[in-house]
Amino acid sequence: KAGVTQTPRYLIKTRGQQVTLSCSPISGHRSVSWYQQTPGQGLQFLFEYFSETQRNKGNFPGRFSGRQFSNSRSEMNVSTLELGDSALYLCASSATAFTDTQYFGPGTRLTVL
Amino acid sequence: AQKVTQAQTESSVVEKEDVTLDCVYETRDTTYYLFWYKQPPSGELVFLIRRNSFDEQNEISGRYSWNFQKSTSSFNFTITASQVVDSAVYFCALRPGTYKYIFGTGTRLKVLA
Repeated sequence: KAGVTQTPRYLIKTRGQQVTLSCSPISGHRSVSWYQQTPGQGLQFLFEYFSETQRNKGNFPGRFSGRQFSNSRSEMNVSTLELGDSALYLCASSATAFTDTQYFGPGTRLTVL
Repeated sequence: AQKVTQAQTESSVVEKEDVTLDCVYETRDTTYYLFWYKQPPSGELVFLIRRNSFDEQNEISGRYSWNFQKSTSSFNFTITASQVVDSAVYFCALRPGTYKYIFGTGTRLKVLA
């Protein structure tokens, strides 16, 4: 079974631009979560989607948004990029929303110049 | 409050030594799940183990073992006869009820040849 895939793997943007990251969950998984990982803040939860509905949301500004499609694929968007948005963005999928284990993708490393 | 504490920021051992990584959690929920993940330099978080709050049985998987003690709110991870390939950052995580995952800050393990 294929694992979680994320595209692109690496991205370089400049301040003020916007970016869209994509995540394809493990086949059959219906829940997708997004995390931001930085050296200073560690792993921070962004949001969680289940069956196209956002179930949980972390403490991030409105510039960070996401969505999930009917095939469970998910995208996250960051608008008006700031230098501090440089991070590894990790996507995780689980079979259902509540008690199942999350399996992570390889991440998208975003650099904002 | 819901919290995971990994007091050890870094740990270094010589190959073939045993090492224990500590994890202490806080939650008021009676139903919760605990996890350990490994993050090698490639960046992807690899799932190692999951435990629910009603199962305090210790687990052994090859060179890995986990000690779950509700009385001290700890879920420690031991690697026996460590190998260089064990070098990674290890994260402990808590999922209380239906709430989001809460990750510790991670312990960077260096296994020296």
